[in-house]
Amino acid sequence: RKEVEQDPGPFNVPEGATVAFNCTYSNSASQSFFWYRQDCRKEPKLLMSVYSSGNEDGRFTAQLNRASQYISLLIRDSKLSDSATYLCVVNMGGSYIPTFGRGTSLIVHP
Amino acid sequence: NAGVTQTPKFQVLKTGQSMTLQCAQDMNHNSMYWYRQDPGMGLRLIYYSASEGTTDKGEVPNGYNVSRLNKREFSLRLESAAPSQTSVYFCASSGLVEQFFGPGTRLTVL
Repeated sequence: RKEVEQDPGPFNVPEGATVAFNCTYSNSASQSFFWYRQDCRKEPKLLMSVYSSGNEDGRFTAQLNRASQYISLLIRDSKLSDSATYLCVVNMGGSYIPTFGRGTSLIVHP
Repeated sequence: NAGVTQTPKFQVLKTGQSMTLQCAQDMNHNSMYWYRQDPGMGLRLIYYSASEGTTDKGEVPNGYNVSRLNKREFSLRLESAAPSQTSVYFCASSGLVEQFFGPGTRLTVL
């Protein structure tokens, strides 16, 4: 079983739709959680951190469920510019090595 | 503040040639990383350096060497390039937890 698993998609949605991605992790000692965004042929960039209480940044909401060991990303009112690959990242406390999922591809069409 | 810079951006090598990929960060981060990214494989860690003067192998270190020249710079060397090393290489650095990535080097080995 991979340490961090994501549905690769692609998720193909119309503009204005709401879309959600999940990511599961296997190590219950994981302490830090992030969503990164990667555009085609570009470097990954931090989208948002994921806190135990959940957090929201504009149209984006991230949630953590420690009991079931998954994190989620919800995108409301999808824009064409949201088309990208979304990477789930998990870090164990005290570890220098984040663990990346393989990413979920999102395509937003007109 | 340039963040993480990488050189070169593109490179074509012949099998057996050697080259060094350069990476520098100006964020005073202790940890630095080298990843490769291949289609469908996600980011795979080649080597990392938790602090100046230390380096450790990641998931796919064979065929590579690294040097943490100082706190700012972390280079990746291919001693004898092979077609299997055709990939996009990303350097990253991190302070406490979040990683920042360079723009990548697109390497083709013929």
